[in-house]
Amino acid sequence: GAVVSQHPSRVICKSGTSVKIECRSLDFQATTMFWYRQFPKQSLMLMATSNEGSKATYEQGVEKDKFLINHASLTLSTLTVTSAHPEDSSFYICSANQRRREGTGELFFGEGSRLTVL
Amino acid sequence: DAKTTQPNSMESNEEEPVHLPCNHSTISGTDYIHWYRQLPSQGPEYVIHGLTSNVNNRMASLAIAEDRKSSTLILHRATLRDAAVYYCILRDPYNNNDMRFGAGTRLTVKP
Repeated sequence: GAVVSQHPSRVICKSGTSVKIECRSLDFQATTMFWYRQFPKQSLMLMATSNEGSKATYEQGVEKDKFLINHASLTLSTLTVTSAHPEDSSFYICSANQRRREGTGELFFGEGSRLTVL
Repeated sequence: DAKTTQPNSMESNEEEPVHLPCNHSTISGTDYIHWYRQLPSQGPEYVIHGLTSNVNNRMASLAIAEDRKSSTLILHRATLRDAAVYYCILRDPYNNNDMRFGAGTRLTVKP
């Protein structure tokens, strides 16, 4: 089946540094990828929708200058948390649609990336 | 605002069927009903989805009410590995096309 891979799975960084998380669709092309954030004991919160070759669409309340999303190819989207602070510590998850089944098909999720900001 | 309503938690005994309900009274004609589940510290996993007709796959069955205002995910024989948070989500491929998670149902499976 379709596979979405995230890297790194865990990252610890100092406050003020930037962290990049990669999301790759390994065996299919994904025109659209979604980025989520999940705090402990809470549900997933949609942060932004990433479209290949165009700017990401951010949800209300998500700072686009802090959470930089780049979707440079049909198989790769990146999320960069800039000037990270402890309150940015969370579980970040990406998902992707198979291009040929856009919209009506299922989403495939990455394993998630746990960010801890000291 | 949540588009679906699910019980916060449910319990089941191992090897017994489990029926997880979901209400979506404001569903539109183009909304697909998706179910995903999430184990601790993992990304969600696709379970099943449908539009109007009931659906079956190797993991589960999806029963959709005739008026589409509710649906039920059926696990035919629960195993300990089925313990997870189950999310019922509406997705409209023709408008927004995003997927927003509600609180889900935490399923506990007792041996």
